[in-house]
Amino acid sequence: NAGVTQTPKFQVLKTGQSMTLQCAQDMNHEYMSWYRQDPGMGLRLIHYSVGAGITDQGEVPNGYNVSRSTTEDFPLRLLSAAPSQTSVYFCASSSPRQGLRYEQYFGPGTRLTVT
Amino acid sequence: AQRVTQPEKLLSVFKGAPVELKCNYSYSGSPELFWYVQYSRQRLQLLLRHISRESIKGFTADLNKGETSFHLKKPFAQEEDSAMYYCALYNQGGKLIFGQGTELSVKP
Repeated sequence: NAGVTQTPKFQVLKTGQSMTLQCAQDMNHEYMSWYRQDPGMGLRLIHYSVGAGITDQGEVPNGYNVSRSTTEDFPLRLLSAAPSQTSVYFCASSSPRQGLRYEQYFGPGTRLTVT
Repeated sequence: AQRVTQPEKLLSVFKGAPVELKCNYSYSGSPELFWYVQYSRQRLQLLLRHISRESIKGFTADLNKGETSFHLKKPFAQEEDSAMYYCALYNQGGKLIFGQGTELSVKP
């Protein structure tokens, strides 16, 4: 199993540009989440999904969109990049099933810089 | 409101010394708590969870509901323990609430 994969690893955007961060998992997990990691602030939840076709907002959703058309994929879209979105982005998946209960599996992260 | 607080940004100890990384939480209900670790240039991974009452890599953490704490402890720190540690509280729908993180530096 590849686990949780994210692309790209690094990205530089200019203010106002849009882009999509890709996330995929091959563990058949129901839950998927996007977090951003900023120094001194820990990880903050952007959006999450409890299954295909179902998404909801987390703590810091503004400026980001998500969709979940399949169990495997959970892309994060930046609509109009701003310097405040410079961060490291982590995708994670988990399952409520017995034995896997709530343990989150993280991707390697995408380091995004907005100039 | 649900919240996780890690009061120390950086904790620096010498090899062989005891380590305690503090975590306090606020949650209305029965909490499920975790410690995650991020080694340099690696992805976050689960270190331990309170429900398992396990010891991983010599680390233990006990849930104290009276003090609303879930401190991470190790009696003898090793250099390879140097990493970023995050305490996290499970919220419904697969969501985790993370603390701010504590960077542990173990000096030789």
